[in-house]
Amino acid sequence: ILNVEQSPQSLHVQEGDSTNFTCSFPSSNFYALHWYRWETAKSPEALFVMTLNGDEKKKGRISATLNTKEGYSYLYIKGSQPEDSATYLCAFLPNQAGTALIFGKGTTLSVSS
Amino acid sequence: DGGITQSPKYLFRKEGQNVTLSCEQNLNHDAMYWYRQDPGQGLRLIYYSQIVNDFQKGDIAEGYSVSREKKESFPLTVTSAQKNPTAFYLCASMSAGRKVRYTFGSGTRLTVV
Repeated sequence: ILNVEQSPQSLHVQEGDSTNFTCSFPSSNFYALHWYRWETAKSPEALFVMTLNGDEKKKGRISATLNTKEGYSYLYIKGSQPEDSATYLCAFLPNQAGTALIFGKGTTLSVSS
Repeated sequence: DGGITQSPKYLFRKEGQNVTLSCEQNLNHDAMYWYRQDPGQGLRLIYYSQIVNDFQKGDIAEGYSVSREKKESFPLTVTSAQKNPTAFYLCASMSAGRKVRYTFGSGTRLTVV
């Protein structure tokens, strides 16, 4: 069974702090790595889809990096704001036709003003 | 606007009853997925379908059934054989090509009373 691990499980920061989360996934059989943001009472929303080793993606104050050789991805949030409070999900797509995303348990971020 | 609609938002079921959760999309997406979330757990894959009239079991398919008679619709039936049906159920879809993101519905919370 393929496993995706995310750490920390939860995080509480002050407004303006920068933070980062880790996602670990199998380094073999890699096809893609997804990041989603899931706010309370809303649907998960895609942040990034990453496919190449060394990929770096950025969306506003949020960025992500990918290392497929060692099987990890980092998500960074610069200058956290209360509206960044959400659960951040990482998901791994194996390099096998007809498969589905395998999700980690998520990192729940709470930002206080 | 295109999107995924899940209904109902909340569902109560008596023990021993089958219930069907609806998932409809107007995005013209080929693939559709059902995930389940329990407290402290990540999203776990129940069933998925890559094309009409075809579907595959995920990691926790026991006690569930699905159909894919139309591209737009992928209903999930929770049968009486599912031992712990109380959970949050999330439907997703994805267009063809494996480097694209999922689009999620807003979920159905099922409670067995």
